[in-house]
Amino acid sequence: GAVVSQHPSRVICKSGTSVKIECRSLDFQATTMFWYRQFPKQSLMLMATSNEGSKATYEQGVEKDKFLINHASLTLSTLTVTSAHPEDSSFYICSARGGAKGMGYEQYFGPGTRLTVT
Amino acid sequence: AQSVTQLGSHVSVSEGALVLLRCNYSSSVPPYLFWYVQYPNQGLQLLLKYTSAATLVKGINGFEAEFKKSETSFHLTKPSAHMSDAAEYFCAVSVAMPGANSKLTFGKGITLSVRP
Repeated sequence: GAVVSQHPSRVICKSGTSVKIECRSLDFQATTMFWYRQFPKQSLMLMATSNEGSKATYEQGVEKDKFLINHASLTLSTLTVTSAHPEDSSFYICSARGGAKGMGYEQYFGPGTRLTVT
Repeated sequence: AQSVTQLGSHVSVSEGALVLLRCNYSSSVPPYLFWYVQYPNQGLQLLLKYTSAATLVKGINGFEAEFKKSETSFHLTKPSAHMSDAAEYFCAVSVAMPGANSKLTFGKGITLSVRP
């Protein structure tokens, strides 16, 4: 149980275009989803936290107009990188946390999406 | 505020040797502590977690960690390393407030290499 998927696993896009990454909780309802960014050989940096039906809360320094997050349902959150540039190339990882009793505090991580902007 | 310190960036052990990965935390409230493993180009997999129950926590793949409040530590150990243990390991801390938007704060990670 508690499986989180991401799609696509890899994406290459041209500079100036937008890319959408999907994060799905497959077997539980995710009341909260988190989006992280990871540079090579570095730790995960939290970008934003989103609750279903609410606007995402962005961490300091993260441009909310560039990284659009939508959490429209209890099983799906999307991250759209708008007007992507090469410096946006990174590994993006989502995690999901359920609200049901017994799931509590634990975050379940997706497999990540490798974005390359050319 | 909370933080995690993982000293060193790389640990190398021989196959069959003891694995010890260090983690120290800082938290103004009782913490939840986690160890995750990440293989190349993959997401994070939970190894084990401390949530204010037993201080010695056993996880998957033979790993365990002990919560020591007096030392603010949560070191990860495994008695005998296997080649398949080579990966990146992250320690993380969260405040012990389930139901709130408690965030995970990660350490910078340690790369574990296992020599044949």
